Amino acid sequence: KAGVTQTPRYLIKTRGQQVTLSCSPISGHRSVSWYQQTPGQGLQFLFEYFSETQRNKGNFPGRFSGRQFSNSRSEMNVSTLELGDSALYLCATRAMPGETQYFGPGTRLLVL
Amino acid sequence: KNQVEQSPQSLIILEGKNCTLQCNYTVSPFSNLRWYKQDTGRGPVSLTIMTFSENTKSNGRYTATLDADTKQSSLHITASQLSDSASYICVVIKAAGNKLTFGGGTRVLVKP
Repeated sequence: KAGVTQTPRYLIKTRGQQVTLSCSPISGHRSVSWYQQTPGQGLQFLFEYFSETQRNKGNFPGRFSGRQFSNSRSEMNVSTLELGDSALYLCATRAMPGETQYFGPGTRLLVL
Repeated sequence: KNQVEQSPQSLIILEGKNCTLQCNYTVSPFSNLRWYKQDTGRGPVSLTIMTFSENTKSNGRYTATLDADTKQSSLHITASQLSDSASYICVVIKAAGNKLTFGGGTRVLVKP
């Protein structure tokens, strides 16, 4: 089975812009979670989608949003980018909530 | 407050030596605990998953222990190799809701 894929792998944006990141899960996985990882804060949970519905949400501002499509692919959008949004954004997928998550390679976002 | 604390923050060991990483948590009610290995620039990869009733679980040279009474876990790396250089993240999953709480990670550097 192909693993979790994330695109793009690297991205440079400027403050105020918006960005959309994509995550394609392992075939058969219907749950997709998004995380932000920074050196100072570690891994922080953004949100989880299952069957196109947001199931859980972390403590991030409304500038961070996501969605899931009928084929389980998910996108994450960050609007009005701030310098502090520079981070590695990871998505993790699993067949069902509660099962082991498999992480993608991440998208490294740099906001200038 | 549900927390996961890992120690040490970083560790340097010589190739061939053993080391032990610690994870203390306050997450309750507890469902399971997972150790992940994250190579630089990559997503985390699951090493072990431990449920309430399991005390020890091995995955090659990695051995995890769990004491659910004291809410402590450890990850022991035997005969370290250069490829063990990575961050090791302890994740505790809360029962009812499957919420994940991540530790800050321990960065391990194996030197020849």
